[in-house]
Amino acid sequence: AQTVTQSQPEMSVQEAETVTLSCTYDTSESNYYLFWYKQPPSRQMILVIRQEAYKQQNATENRFSVNFQKAAKSFSLKISDSQLGDTAMYFCASYNQGGKLIFGQGTELSVKP
Amino acid sequence: NAGVTQTPKFRILKIGQSMTLQCTQDMNHNYMYWYRQDPGMGLKLIYYSVGAGITDKGEVPNGYNVSRSTTEDFPLRLELAAPSQTSVYFCASRGQVNTEAFFGQGTRLTVV
Repeated sequence: AQTVTQSQPEMSVQEAETVTLSCTYDTSESNYYLFWYKQPPSRQMILVIRQEAYKQQNATENRFSVNFQKAAKSFSLKISDSQLGDTAMYFCASYNQGGKLIFGQGTELSVKP
Repeated sequence: NAGVTQTPKFRILKIGQSMTLQCTQDMNHNYMYWYRQDPGMGLKLIYYSVGAGITDKGEVPNGYNVSRSTTEDFPLRLELAAPSQTSVYFCASRGQVNTEAFFGQGTRLTVV
């Protein structure tokens, strides 16, 4: 079965500091893809970063980076130099070759001034 | 490009009524998805399609039906609305492997 689990319903961080959001997943596929999406109060879904499972190198996009631990099926998101505009719900997601795209429960991140 | 367009944006239904949520994409994407998002929760996959004529159940398909007669359109049908179907519904589409999913703006549905 394909599952995605986020165990942190809420997190907060001071502006300019670093925060890490956790995600674990399970899949029987050997080739799959992982994503972090951001959902601000506008409800718009915005891609933050993606990782291909066959790539060993962790993905990085500016202030956002992932720690991909394939054996542990862990895919955490690190946000450096947090900004007020980073306040949002963050969703971890995975899809496999069968095409099914599954999301975790979400982590509500608050960046405090 | 319009991207993914959902209609309507808001709707109030009475228990037992039926309706169709429309979803259209103009990016020639093969993959399309329907999700529901309850307040403070994640997105639950209702149905998805990997191409015209092909649909499959997701995590929460009960009470819903879909069809995919064209690449562009992926309507979601609620036959007998129930209060438990009160939610925000998102449609999404995706192209080839490793590309991001593009989302519509959502439909807020209330069943009373």
